[in-house]
Amino acid sequence: AQRVTQPEKLLSVFKGAPVELKCNYSYSGSPELFWYVQYSRQRLQLLLRHISRESIKGFTADLNKGETSFHLKKPFAQEEDSAMYYCALLGGGTSYGKLTFGQGTILTVHP
Amino acid sequence: EPEVTQTPSHQVTQMGQEVILRCVPISNHLYFYWYRQILGQKVEFLVSFYNNEISEKSEIFDDQFSVERPDGSNFTLKIRSTKLEDSAMYFCASTLSGTGELFFGEGSRLTVL
Repeated sequence: AQRVTQPEKLLSVFKGAPVELKCNYSYSGSPELFWYVQYSRQRLQLLLRHISRESIKGFTADLNKGETSFHLKKPFAQEEDSAMYYCALLGGGTSYGKLTFGQGTILTVHP
Repeated sequence: EPEVTQTPSHQVTQMGQEVILRCVPISNHLYFYWYRQILGQKVEFLVSFYNNEISEKSEIFDDQFSVERPDGSNFTLKIRSTKLEDSAMYFCASTLSGTGELFFGEGSRLTVL
């Protein structure tokens, strides 16, 4: 069975500090992983996906198959990064677009 | 920019009543989904819909639930006889290619009394 674990429910940092949101997964196949973000009063939206290997809003995430992790990092957090962040795993086979989400981490960036 | 829209934003109903949650996916998308989030818990997959039929459903999606795409634009989730534990935020999502880049609606909050 596939599972996504985000061990931190809450994470607080100060503006300009580095931030790392942890995500670990369990999946028997080749994983496709995503980070979704939900800003206050907005809808859930895709932040980045590991396949594209790009940096979005200064965030990056590297898939580490050995540690089964996909941690989200940003070297210098900004106040506008405050949001709920969800790590998600895409099911394979016939599971077109079926995502398994972690519990989410609320990131608060203090001024 | 096109968006997924959901109605109602909040519905309060009595236990045992039928509820229909409506969604208008992005117009050229082909895959449609319902997810739900019980307060304080994770977002959970309910059902996926492609080519006018359910492609996958979770064990949560029992006989009380059904989905329909009646007219080529709306995508509805029906709960036939609501239970207290159906209280949750229900999210509709759509995507063009089934690759995991889902576009979500703002959600419909269902409260069952």
